[in-house]
Amino acid sequence: EVQLLESGGGLVQPGGSLRLSCAASGFTFSSYAMTWVRQAPGKGLEWVSTINADGGSTFYADSVKGRFTISRDNSKNTLCLQMNSLRAEDTAVYYCAKYSSDWYDDYWGQGTLVTVSS
Amino acid sequence: EIVLTQSPATLSLSPGERATLSCRASQSVSSYLAWFQQKPGQAPRLLIYDASNRATGIPARFSGSGSGTDFTLTISSLEPEDFAVYYCQQRGNWPRTFGQGTKVEVK
Repeated sequence: EVQLLESGGGLVQPGGSLRLSCAASGFTFSSYAMTWVRQAPGKGLEWVSTINADGGSTFYADSVKGRFTISRDNSKNTLCLQMNSLRAEDTAVYYCAKYSSDWYDDYWGQGTLVTVSS
Repeated sequence: EIVLTQSPATLSLSPGERATLSCRASQSVSSYLAWFQQKPGQAPRLLIYDASNRATGIPARFSGSGSGTDFTLTISSLEPEDFAVYYCQQRGNWPRTFGQGTKVEVK
């Protein structure tokens, strides 16, 4: 059974940093691209970042480019999102998701809440 | 950036009725479109990928159609558990984009 468990969310002040992690199990982690999607309170879904299977290619939304860094450790089956220079508008539930071989988000974690506020 | 526009914003229907949801892209995404279902407090769930392929475990009452810029998600006969928010998403171009969602509510 595919399982994705996010951690690392919490309350942080504007300008601060946070590192999210996603522990993956139930599939061959090193074979699939992974992604982060966020959802602000009461709002829709927003794609944040994607990393390919071997970590050699990364993609970012313009809203986070230069501030967020996606990475993965295939030896530990872990996906990470380093978030710097956080803003109030980054407040959201952050989901990690696995991509299928067709690059669709086929499995999702339950999300971790990031709140940026003073 | 490809903009996806979903309509209607809200669909009020009764169990057993047919639901038809629309997603229009600002430029062609070929068939690289997915549909997701999200219930309150839950993560999204993949329903349809490549415009018309049902994801694993998705009931046959869910079907998708379309290509290019116009796509439709149809729920043939609404079950109580189908009342939720539905999002379309394109993977034809970076950045990935989602529609704003259609809420299917009980009439």
